[in-house]
Amino acid sequence: DTGVSQDPRHKITKRGQNVTFRCDPISEHNRLYWYRQTLGQGPEFLTYFQNEAQLEKSRLLSDRFSAERPKGSFSTLEIQRTEQGDSAMYLCASSQAGLGETQYFGPGTRLLVL
Amino acid sequence: GNSVTQMEGPVTLSEEAFLTINCTYTATGYPSLFWYVQYPGEGLQLLLKATKADDKGSNKGFEATYRKETTSFHLEKGSVQVSDSAVYFCALSDPVSNTGNQFYFGTGTSLTVIP
Repeated sequence: DTGVSQDPRHKITKRGQNVTFRCDPISEHNRLYWYRQTLGQGPEFLTYFQNEAQLEKSRLLSDRFSAERPKGSFSTLEIQRTEQGDSAMYLCASSQAGLGETQYFGPGTRLLVL
Repeated sequence: GNSVTQMEGPVTLSEEAFLTINCTYTATGYPSLFWYVQYPGEGLQLLLKATKADDKGSNKGFEATYRKETTSFHLEKGSVQVSDSAVYFCALSDPVSNTGNQFYFGTGTSLTVIP
């Protein structure tokens, strides 16, 4: 069990550029979550997959945000036409479905939009 | 709806002091409750959890009891160490009332323990 990994750990981009982040969950976990965390706040839910199906995406912040999990394993989060307000830590978590299931978090990708 | 209210920080304690971080919640169903810890430069790590009323979660000397009557899940430790310095997040999941078992987090409480 290598834990949840995210890549890159840091990303600096210019306003208007597109960025893509990758998350590799714990291998036996069937659920994968994306959260955003801004300074001084707790993580805020964005979207969730069970296997390859995206079952909840209404909390994505705008239509500039999209996520995929094409084969039910790794996932990508893309932000198009980035804005300075997108600067935040983007967290990925994975879990195995069940009562009281625990989400295991990756180290996050810190995005800075200049 | 679901929400978590967490004690404001930052909190500064001397080593071996007693710690309490308050957490109260609002939920429409029967939530599971969690404490996560975030050390500087690292991701969130599960500290402890409780899945039903009156359950007590414990780990590394930390404890929290799920109190349905007061809708609380306060974190306690009898004697803190410098290595406990971190940000602590209270969270709930309520899979019955919302899809996807998303977690709802408090705003976090920063703890600094001084020697």
